[in-house]
Amino acid sequence: EVQLVESGGGSVQPGGSLRLSCAASGFTFSDYWMHWVRQVPGKGLVWLSRIDSGGSGTVYADSVEGRFTISRDNAKNTLYLQMNSLRAEDAAVYYCARSNWPHYFAYWGQGTPVTVSS
Amino acid sequence: QSALTQPPSASGSPGQSVTISCTGTSSDVGGYNYVSWYQQHPGKAPKVMIYEVSKRPSGVPDRFSGSKSGDTASLTVSGLQAEDEADYYCSSYAGSNNYVFGTGTKVTVL
Repeated sequence: EVQLVESGGGSVQPGGSLRLSCAASGFTFSDYWMHWVRQVPGKGLVWLSRIDSGGSGTVYADSVEGRFTISRDNAKNTLYLQMNSLRAEDAAVYYCARSNWPHYFAYWGQGTPVTVSS
Repeated sequence: QSALTQPPSASGSPGQSVTISCTGTSSDVGGYNYVSWYQQHPGKAPKVMIYEVSKRPSGVPDRFSGSKSGDTASLTVSGLQAEDEADYYCSSYAGSNNYVFGTGTKVTVL
């Protein structure tokens, strides 16, 4: 059974940093592209970033380019999102998701909440 | 990248059908046959219902169907059931390894 479990969310002050993790199991992690998607409670889904199976190719939404960094450790079956220079508008539930070809999000984690407040 | 446009709400009685639209541009919905649809119940993670415009993953009832015409994709839920009450989001590949989601539609079963 495919499982994605996010962790690392919490409360941080504006300008602060946070690193999210997503532990994967039930599939060969190194075979799949992975993504981060966020959702402000009561609002819609927003795609943030994608990393290819090997970890060398990354893409970001304009809203987080230069502030967030996606990475992965295939030996540990774990996906990461390093979030720097956090703003109030970054407060949301953050989901990791596994891609299936072609270009859809086949499996999702349960999400980890991030609060940005002074 | 702007969010795809969906109606905020849709509703139908049990057994009826409801269709949700998802309007983008030629750079996303109209440019690729990579539209997918997700169902999200309150407090839960999204679940894929349709991918590649009209394909259903294993385990998704055939009451769910998808289509596309030009820059607009649609999700139809036939034979509405109480458990279909949820938020639905479309998503499209937008080129250069970018993706965009729709604004979301709350489906109510009357």
